[in-house]
Amino acid sequence: QVQLQQWGAGLLKPSETLSLTCAAYDGSFSGYYGSWIRQPPGKGLEWIGEINHRGGTDYTPSLKRRVTISLDTSKNQLSLKLSSVTAADTAVYYCARGQIDARLQHWGQGTLVTVSS
Amino acid sequence: DIVMTQSPDSLAVSLGERATINCKSSQSVLSRSNNKNYLAWFQQKPGQPPKLLIYWASTRESGVPDRFSGSGSGTDFTLTISSLQAEDVAVYYCQQYYSTPPLTFGQGTRLEIK
Repeated sequence: QVQLQQWGAGLLKPSETLSLTCAAYDGSFSGYYGSWIRQPPGKGLEWIGEINHRGGTDYTPSLKRRVTISLDTSKNQLSLKLSSVTAADTAVYYCARGQIDARLQHWGQGTLVTVSS
Repeated sequence: DIVMTQSPDSLAVSLGERATINCKSSQSVLSRSNNKNYLAWFQQKPGQPPKLLIYWASTRESGVPDRFSGSGSGTDFTLTISSLQAEDVAVYYCQQYYSTPPLTFGQGTRLEIK
């Protein structure tokens, strides 16, 4: 059973860069889709972007200028960087792994990131 | 972007009764090349990450109880729980992966016990 463990700083100041990492235990990201999704407190799910099985990336248009998703194949770790954060970026951030038929099959436990001065 | 709209926003059903959640996409998510609907359903319980229930609109994920079923094609889809159990209380989301970026979710439907 794939287990995704994620970590990163939970409290940021406005204009700082959010940085999260997700590791796949009992599995791998290579050859799969690795995605990041966020959920503001009490609200719905927003897809941030993904890295596909060929190493290409796609991002949601509203965040594209600020976001980078990458994969360290040697460590089997998926990373998210979101620059110039504001209070509007406060959310629980999830990583997910999947395949073409189920892109968000396995999920990490979530990391609450709060942006506050 | 494909907009996903769920109905109702919330639903209260008695234990053992049927629960039905609808999802409508602003464009078809049916691929003509493989005749598959790029539509998934997720269940999210409080304090937990979402859990994949259904993909390809009607294929149950491994380990998901068979009281959960998905149906529909093109732009109109339904998640049905045939006999509601207490552990099914959650928020349910549909999601399309036909036209990306971005993958898009419905706004969620909150399911409670009547």
